Amino acid sequence: GQQLNQSPQSMFIQEGEDVSMNCTSSSIFNTWLWYKQDPGEGPVLLIALYKAGELTSNGRLTAQFGITRKDSFLNISASIPSDVGIYFCAGSDSGGGADGLTFGKGTHLIIQP
Amino acid sequence: NAGVTQTPKFQVLKTGQSMTLQCAQDMNHEYMSWYRQDPGMGLRLIHYSVGAGITDQGEVPNGYNVSRSTTEDFPLRLLSAAPSQTSVYFCASSRESNSPLHFGNGTRLTVT
Repeated sequence: GQQLNQSPQSMFIQEGEDVSMNCTSSSIFNTWLWYKQDPGEGPVLLIALYKAGELTSNGRLTAQFGITRKDSFLNISASIPSDVGIYFCAGSDSGGGADGLTFGKGTHLIIQP
Repeated sequence: NAGVTQTPKFQVLKTGQSMTLQCAQDMNHEYMSWYRQDPGMGLRLIHYSVGAGITDQGEVPNGYNVSRSTTEDFPLRLLSAAPSQTSVYFCASSRESNSPLHFGNGTRLTVT
């Protein structure tokens, strides 16, 4: 099946620092999604990308759909304590709906005040 | 809207027992799916449904059954629980095939 490599696996940063994480795939995706998961809750959609080369922002978050369609990155600027959590990338052959998202293994973000 | 609601939140089973994990959504979404989340493995698709009466297998379907008799509900059944099914289970739904998934808050299942 399709494989997603998400890195880094974990990040320990100081409050106020910028964060960058990325995902690479062995195959092409038509949609890239970024989710955040807080403890005890389900993943929540942050950003959806539908077009190669697309750069999309959501507040302090910016994500890009790689030109090759095999990669995506997520940046968080000026991190704050509530950014703590697990960030997942996910790729889809379609729009990311129920017929199958392939998820990365997640990046644990830990922020030291 | 409540979104995607999963019950129970926690469950402990003994090997061989059966149970049903409930999932309901009130957003009139056609597409629903079940994922399991294990440490170091990310989320893996178990089964999915593209509409009432239609279901299909995902990446890890063995040991699980599903049905979709209504648009709102998509229960996941474990007929004979095994310790390997200890996991956190997430139900998700989306409006259409090209719409992103919305997740419930999960059911944490332990099989002893």
